[in-house]
Amino acid sequence: EAGVAQSPRYKIIEKRQSVAFWCNPISGHATLYWYQQILGQGPKLLIQFQNNGVVDDSQLPKDRFSAERLKGVDSTLKIQPAKLEDSAVYLCASSFERGNTIYFGEGSWLTVV
Amino acid sequence: GNSVTQMEGPVTLSEEAFLTINCTYTATGYPSLFWYVQYPGEGLQLLLKATKADDKGSNKGFEATYRKETTSFHLEKGSVQVSDSAVYFCALLIQGAQKLVFGQGTRLTINP
Repeated sequence: EAGVAQSPRYKIIEKRQSVAFWCNPISGHATLYWYQQILGQGPKLLIQFQNNGVVDDSQLPKDRFSAERLKGVDSTLKIQPAKLEDSAVYLCASSFERGNTIYFGEGSWLTVV
Repeated sequence: GNSVTQMEGPVTLSEEAFLTINCTYTATGYPSLFWYVQYPGEGLQLLLKATKADDKGSNKGFEATYRKETTSFHLEKGSVQVSDSAVYFCALLIQGAQKLVFGQGTRLTINP
């Protein structure tokens, strides 16, 4: 079974530039998550989708971050404009709708300089 | 609220030593509990889980028991290897909301 796919794996951008990350969840998983993991910290939930609807985006900095999951399958997370403090690993994860196990991708490593 | 507190790191051990990484939680309701592992340069991998009180999760020689009375889920391994060097995260799943809350992680280094 294919896992959660993410791209790009690594990205370096200058502050005030924009960046987009893509995620394809495990087939059949209705719930998709984006987490932000800053170096030395545990992952923090940014946004949670159920199919193509947003369930929780309370921790998403909406002035610069946006995410969509238009067809209820793959998803894109965008940052515009980026700040230095956005340097982190962006982890995509997915689960069955009522599943109690969440599976993570390998992450997209962002460095803002 | 819901939160997870892990043992402060980093932890450095010699090969074949006994490992314990402490994890305690605060939660409303009855969460499921997880340990995830992150090897250098990689994403999070599920190591083990327990879904109800007194359940024991185990995998790759690691074990953790869901202790409701002490709100704990400590990770143990009887004999660690160099390949176990990684960052370990304890997490709880908020039932109903279906989202994970993580501890801050514990970096483990095993020396040969």
